[in-house]
Parts: sequence; C-alpha cells; structure tokens
Amino acid sequence: QQQVKQSPQSLIVQKGGISIINCAYENTAFDYFPWYQQFPGKGPALLIAIRPDVSEKKEGRFTISFNKSAKQFSLHIMDSQPGDSATYFCAASETSGSRLTFGEGTQLTVNP
Amino acid sequence: DTEVTQTPKHLVMGMTNKKSLKCEQHMGHRAMYWYKQKAKKPPELMFVYSYEKLSINESVPSRFSPECPNSSLLNLHLHALQPEDSALYLCASSFQGADTQYFGPGTRLTVL
Repeated sequence: QQQVKQSPQSLIVQKGGISIINCAYENTAFDYFPWYQQFPGKGPALLIAIRPDVSEKKEGRFTISFNKSAKQFSLHIMDSQPGDSATYFCAASETSGSRLTFGEGTQLTVNP
Repeated sequence: DTEVTQTPKHLVMGMTNKKSLKCEQHMGHRAMYWYKQKAKKPPELMFVYSYEKLSINESVPSRFSPECPNSSLLNLHLHALQPEDSALYLCASSFQGADTQYFGPGTRLTVL
C-alpha cells in the first residue's frame, strides 16, 4: 500500500519558535509533495508544495526540505505564531495520477 | 481566484432522507473530487471526475451518487445514509488530474 508517514501526531511550540513536521514516503514514483493547512471546520488549504528537482523551497516563514535519497520531506515554520495553530497534512502524488496520498496529520499548537 | 464553493455549509438528515451537496468552481479546472473527512483524520478520496466523466470511484457505497452536470459543477446525491456517514464532505478541483488540488470549505453532514 502506498503510504505517507507523518510525525509527530501533535506538536506544541512557543510563539517565535520553529515548528518542524516530518514525512516519509515509500513510492518512488511520487513526484509532487504538497503541504495543506486545515483549521477546525474548514477545508484544507494549500500551504506550499515541492517537486523532487529541488531540495528546498521557501515561502515566507514556511520552508519545505526534501531529501530524495532518504524519501523524506519536512515542513519548517519559522517564527511560529498562535495563528499558525492548525492541523497540517503532508501529501504526495504521481504526476500521472489523480490521487493524493495524505499523511495522518499533525496538530500544531503555538502558545502565546 | 482559487475558490471552490460548497453548499450547504451544514446539513442534518434522517436515514430515509434524500439530499444533495453542491460544489462549484470557476477556475477552468477540468478535474473535480469528492472527499470524506472524519474528525482528526486526513481526507479520504471518494470520487474523481475528469473532463466531466467519472474516472475514479473508490468503492463508495451506492447510497452516495455523484454527478457532474458541467465542468464547473459537481453534485453528491445522498440517499438512505447511515449515522456513520456523518463527516465533513470536501470538494476539490484541479486544472488537470495531477495538478494542485484546491479544496472547498466543506459541508458538515450529520445523519440522525
């Protein structure tokens, strides 16, 4: 079964700190890796995404690091804010397919 | 504009009712998706429409019936649902099947 394993399940960070969420995948055909942010009662919103031709992508306070040989990728949130408190899902898909394979999610709490 | 709209926001129905969920996008996307999401879990793919044709049915029970009347509109017809079908139903769209998926806000369904 094609899986994406996400850790940790929950994360508590102080305001201004760095939040790090990790994902690992098995299917080497995956070539698109988005991160979604979801607030309670809302739909997931695309946060940032990366393809395997780059090792890092940064958008504002959010950075994806990608390690193709280890089949791992991670989300770093710099200067974490209480407004970042949400559930974060990593995902992966093949260019040729329509299926997003999601990780199990990480509930992030940023304390003031 | 990367907006997917869904109506209604909330729906309560009995097990003998027939209801429909509606999803709309005006981004020119040709792939549309229905997902089901339980609390603290990632979205689960139900159906995919590509160019208005059903391309993926993830073995969803027949009490859920999708319909794609045109390239901007996606419906999910509900009939004889069970209490365990209570969940957040999410619609998503993408330009083509393997591109970034944009999610709507969801319909919170409660089956009594």
